Amino acid sequence: KNEVEQSPQNLTAQEGEFITINCSYSVGISALHWLQQHPGGGIVSLFMLSSGKKKHGRLIATINIQEKHSSLHITASHPRDSAVYICAAGGTSYGKLTFGQGTILTVHP
Amino acid sequence: NAGVTQTPKFQVLKTGQSMTLQCAQDMNHEYMSWYRQDPGMGLRLIHYSVGAGITDQGEVPNGYNVSRSTTEDFPLRLLSAAPSQTSVYFCASTPSRGSSYNEQFFGPGTRLTVL
Repeated sequence: KNEVEQSPQNLTAQEGEFITINCSYSVGISALHWLQQHPGGGIVSLFMLSSGKKKHGRLIATINIQEKHSSLHITASHPRDSAVYICAAGGTSYGKLTFGQGTILTVHP
Repeated sequence: NAGVTQTPKFQVLKTGQSMTLQCAQDMNHEYMSWYRQDPGMGLRLIHYSVGAGITDQGEVPNGYNVSRSTTEDFPLRLLSAAPSQTSVYFCASTPSRGSSYNEQFFGPGTRLTVL
């Protein structure tokens, strides 16, 4: 069993739909990261959070430390949101992240 | 700032050849790391460095060497390439020591094929 599991692995949506990607982890963490990888490969950091909720534009990330679960929500999805979304658990050892397998999101116009 | 840069973007090697993947950052970050990304698997840590002169092994270090002679550069050496090392390699850096609660900055990746 992977230490960080994401669901679903693949997600297809129509433009405008509300999207949720889930991440469960079994390791102790100091922070949970959400990353975005567009076709062509570049990886960018979307959020880091250790508690509660963060919002950036149409993206919202939440975390429940007790349940070891985080969610990434996209409101009013758009085709440009099509990408792979990766969650990563940051442990207490400096800098060491454990990554989920990623969720492939495709948003159709 | 250029951020994190990697060269080359693409490389094809024959089994047994050696090569170095270059990584540099101009943000004065202490922590740098190398990951490989394979289909169906998450990013996996190969080696990391918490500062110049200090390196350590990650999850999948076999077949790779690293060194960190300067804060800016963190090259990854493949000693004798094998087909199992066909992958996309990402270098990343993060500002400081202390905890993983720091944004990671990724390079654009190097796509390596070993024949």
